[in-house]
Amino acid sequence: ILNVEQSPQSLHVQEGDSTNFTCSFPSSNFYALHWYRWETAKSPEALFVMTLNGDEKKKGRISATLNTKEGYSYLYIKGSQPEDSATYLCAFFDSGNTGKLIFGQGTTLQVKP
Amino acid sequence: EAQVTQNPRYLITVTGKKLTVTCSQNMNHEYMSWYRQDPGLGLRQIYYSMNVEVTDKGDVPEGYKVSRKEKRNFPLILESPSPNQTSLYFCASSLHFSGRANVLTFGAGSRLTVL
Repeated sequence: ILNVEQSPQSLHVQEGDSTNFTCSFPSSNFYALHWYRWETAKSPEALFVMTLNGDEKKKGRISATLNTKEGYSYLYIKGSQPEDSATYLCAFFDSGNTGKLIFGQGTTLQVKP
Repeated sequence: EAQVTQNPRYLITVTGKKLTVTCSQNMNHEYMSWYRQDPGLGLRQIYYSMNVEVTDKGDVPEGYKVSRKEKRNFPLILESPSPNQTSLYFCASSLHFSGRANVLTFGAGSRLTVL
């Protein structure tokens, strides 16, 4: 079974702090990596799709980078706000297992006002 | 409104009583998938379907069945539920699987308790 690891598991920051989390995945057979944001009592919603080594994506204060050769992606949040509090999930598509999507356990972010 | 609809949203049942969780999408998506979410384990894929009449096992298929007779529907069937199937279930869909940029749209989730 392919392993996708996210760290840290949880994070508590103050409003205005910048933060980042890591998603580690197998570096072989890379096809795509997705980032999702999951707020309590809601469904996960897509943030980014990353497909090429060196990809950098940005949406407002949130950005992500991708390194497929070493098997990791970083998600950055600049100037965290209480509304950024959520669980952030990464999901790895393996080109050798068409249709299978492996999620990491998520990083839960709590931003205190 | 484009959406994935799951029913029921909440269900308490007893061991052995067959149940079906329905999933329907109105976006003409080819790919559909079921996940379960358990504390500390993240989202785990149960079954997925690349298109009508094409289904395959995910990582945790034991105790579940699915069917894809129509493009819009992908029900999850628990023939004989057991307490270890108590979980939060999500259905999700995307336009195609082969397109790398096709993200998943998730349903609202179904919380199932098996006593």
